[in-house]
Amino acid sequence: NAGVTQTPKFQVLKTGQSMTLQCAQDMNHNSMYWYRQDPGMGLRLIYYSASEGTTDKGEVPNGYNVSRLNKREFSLRLESAAPSQTSVYFCASRAGQGKVPYNEQFFGPGTRLTVL
Amino acid sequence: LAKTTQPISMDSYEGQEVNITCSHNNIATNDYITWYQQFPSQGPRFIIQGYKTKVTNEVASLFIPADRKSSTLSLPRVSLSDTAVYYCLVAANNNAGNMLTFGGGTRLMVKP
Repeated sequence: NAGVTQTPKFQVLKTGQSMTLQCAQDMNHNSMYWYRQDPGMGLRLIYYSASEGTTDKGEVPNGYNVSRLNKREFSLRLESAAPSQTSVYFCASRAGQGKVPYNEQFFGPGTRLTVL
Repeated sequence: LAKTTQPISMDSYEGQEVNITCSHNNIATNDYITWYQQFPSQGPRFIIQGYKTKVTNEVASLFIPADRKSSTLSLPRVSLSDTAVYYCLVAANNNAGNMLTFGGGTRLMVKP
């Protein structure tokens, strides 16, 4: 049971390049989330998916797109990377249905992205 | 969404009890209060969740007054390994996907 996995762990991009961050969970959770965390700051929600087939914007969605490929996988895409997107990106999942506490999220190890 | 306010940082010493208070003046009837802990270079980890009065688990206690406009996370006899950032979240405790947002957190430094 690996929990929440993210790939890659590190990435360096040039301005304008695109890439997709992958996230997968093996806990059969319904909800999945993407956050970014800038140095010394709290986490900010980019997008989330309440269930397979649905996605919603969070606090800072501009410059990102997401895909909930299936119940296990939730990817985050940067179409044209900018230096302002340099950050650590965390994926999380939440059981939601039938498990208390509902708001317990499980986080992946993070992806450290640098945009030059 | 209920906005939360926490102290930016706190210092303590090993063996002391630490209390971190979170203010959430516009908490809704359906909202629960959840606390997370984050170590450097790691994702946050769930600590405790509550709705009212007191909740205790093996890690911490959570005190919530009757008006629910604030909550206090209590860490008994902290050690150096409790040095971390602690986040307070307020959100509805439901089955549906909800927009769980983190504030700035409280950076706790435990000294020898």
